[in-house]
Amino acid sequence: ETGVTQSPTHLIKTRGQQVTLRCSSQSGHNTVSWYQQALGQGPQFIFQYYREEENGRGNFPPRFSGLQFPNYSSELNVNALELDDSALYLCASSLRGQGFSGANVLTFGAGSRLTVL
Amino acid sequence: GEDVEQSLFLSVREGDSSVINCTYTDSSSTYLYWYKQEPGAGLQLLTYIFSNMDMKQDQRLTVLLNKKDKHLSLRIADTQTGDSAIYFCAESLDSNYQLIWGAGTKLIIKP
Repeated sequence: ETGVTQSPTHLIKTRGQQVTLRCSSQSGHNTVSWYQQALGQGPQFIFQYYREEENGRGNFPPRFSGLQFPNYSSELNVNALELDDSALYLCASSLRGQGFSGANVLTFGAGSRLTVL
Repeated sequence: GEDVEQSLFLSVREGDSSVINCTYTDSSSTYLYWYKQEPGAGLQLLTYIFSNMDMKQDQRLTVLLNKKDKHLSLRIADTQTGDSAIYFCAESLDSNYQLIWGAGTKLIIKP
């Protein structure tokens, strides 16, 4: 059973550029969530994808967008990068039933560290 | 609004028990979680508790929940150097699609 893998592990961009981060879900999982973790803080929820559709969104502007593919892998895209977007971006997969009841047990990848200059 | 708070640091001696505390504000929390983060690694789920329970034990870990005071704690018995990490408390609400996280408590082990 493979875990959650994210790529790239580190990247540096400049303000105004665009970035795409990738995530492969753990085998058997059908839901992907993305979180932003700034230095010294807890993760902040960006959005969640279930059945290839955005299922919920945190307080992030529309320049943060995502995709989920039929194999449950996912991408996070950020346009018009700002300095404050510098953070560790965490992908987490989970297995959710249709009713979304029960504990939301997330399996996290090691993250993609983005630096915006 | 939703808020989860933790103290930033905890220092304990090897072999002692560690108690990491967390408070939350939203009374509609359904589950509460403890995650561990080591340098360069992802967040690892340690344990979780349903909001209608008041205690859960799993080997060296004991979780206590006081729903009236909105207070959650994680006790680690016989703390070892391998327990050095940042511990995050998180809650999920009725909507259950996101977790709300504290800022994490860094556990420092003294020899």
